[in-house]
Amino acid sequence: AQSVTQPDIHITVSEGASLELRCNYSYGATPYLFWYVQSPGQGLQLLLKYFSGDTLVQGIKGFEAEFKRSQSSFNLRKPSVHWSDAAEYFCAVASNFGNEKLTFGTGTRLTIIP
Amino acid sequence: KAGVTQTPRYLIKTRGQQVTLSCSPISGHRSVSWYQQTPGQGLQFLFEYFSETQRNKGNFPGRFSGRQFSNSRSEMNVSTLELGDSALYLCASSLEAAGDTEAFFGQGTRLTVV
Repeated sequence: AQSVTQPDIHITVSEGASLELRCNYSYGATPYLFWYVQSPGQGLQLLLKYFSGDTLVQGIKGFEAEFKRSQSSFNLRKPSVHWSDAAEYFCAVASNFGNEKLTFGTGTRLTIIP
Repeated sequence: KAGVTQTPRYLIKTRGQQVTLSCSPISGHRSVSWYQQTPGQGLQFLFEYFSETQRNKGNFPGRFSGRQFSNSRSEMNVSTLELGDSALYLCASSLEAAGDTEAFFGQGTRLTVV
């Protein structure tokens, strides 16, 4: 069964600092990988996704993520965070058989300090 | 174009009652998935419908059911509500399978069982 681990429950960074959120997945074949962001009281918004090809993917809001098969990781990065980036971030995986089900990690809450 | 619409946004029910939540997907999307989000369990997949057929189901008791209409709108029903059913219920729509294409999430229905 596929699974996702986000080891950091809560991260605090200063505005303007760089950010890296960790995500490790467990799946036998090449997975489809996603990062979603959720602001309080809101639904989920897709930041970026990896299906195949270039292992460094660019997303919205200046985010990027790198797929590393050898480490089963798909870490999210941003070179300089803004106060508006404060939210909860979820990594998700789906099988490459067009599985209709997304398996989510437990999320990382990001706090930005001035 | 309009996003995914979930109604109602907030709901308070008494233990033992039943509830129906509604989800209108983005026009043209045929896949609708439902997720339950709680602080303790995180985001968990409930079920997915495509062209009025349930294609995938998560590990939830039979009290949780759903259906999809010919216009792709979907409803989920929870019977004999328990306190533990209090959660944010999220609906996502996509063109095909959520793992194949981007899943767009609604803002959710916050269900409180008292």
